[in-house]
Amino acid sequence: NAGVTQTPKFQVLKTGQSMTLQCAQDMNHEYMSWYRQDPGMGLRLIHYSVGAGITDQGEVPNGYNVSRSTTEDFPLRLLSAAPSQTSVYFCASSYSQGSSGANVLTFGAGSRLTVL
Amino acid sequence: SQQGEEDPQALSIQEGENATMNCSYKTSINNLQWYRQNSGRGLVHLILIRSNEREKHSGRLRVTLDTSKKSSSLLITASRAADTASYFCATNSGGYQKVTFGIGTKLQVIP
Repeated sequence: NAGVTQTPKFQVLKTGQSMTLQCAQDMNHEYMSWYRQDPGMGLRLIHYSVGAGITDQGEVPNGYNVSRSTTEDFPLRLLSAAPSQTSVYFCASSYSQGSSGANVLTFGAGSRLTVL
Repeated sequence: SQQGEEDPQALSIQEGENATMNCSYKTSINNLQWYRQNSGRGLVHLILIRSNEREKHSGRLRVTLDTSKKSSSLLITASRAADTASYFCATNSGGYQKVTFGIGTKLQVIP
């Protein structure tokens, strides 16, 4: 059981370039989400998905695109990279636990992106 | 904006001592979770406490929740060097698929 797999682990881009961060999970989880982690700011939610074909914006969605064509995959696209998008990106998956809506996240190992 | 704020932001203790971290949040919640992050790694879930619970234990971890004060605390007893990590609280409110994190407490346990 691989859990949540993110690729690549490291990437350097030039301003204006585009790229896709890949995320795959093998736990048949309904929910998937992308966070970015910056020093002193904790984790901030970028986009999330409650199932195949359904996505929504989080706290900091600008500059990022997502799609969810299958339950397993949730790629994050940077259309035109900017230095402000230099960060560590984490993908997470989860399922709802009971009527209280508890949503325990399983995280990937992270992708460190530098935009020059 | 962050829903949760941990306090202190950094904590350094000797091995064997207890470590206490606090989390305050702004809006009503369904539940509150604590996660650990070792340096350079992803976050790992530690414990979840529901809004109708006041205290929960898991091994050396004890979590309390005071919904009237909108605060939670995580106590790690008899700390070990391996507990050195950053600890984050996270909350679900409203749409439960949105989990919001605090900025974290960096704990250093000195052998």
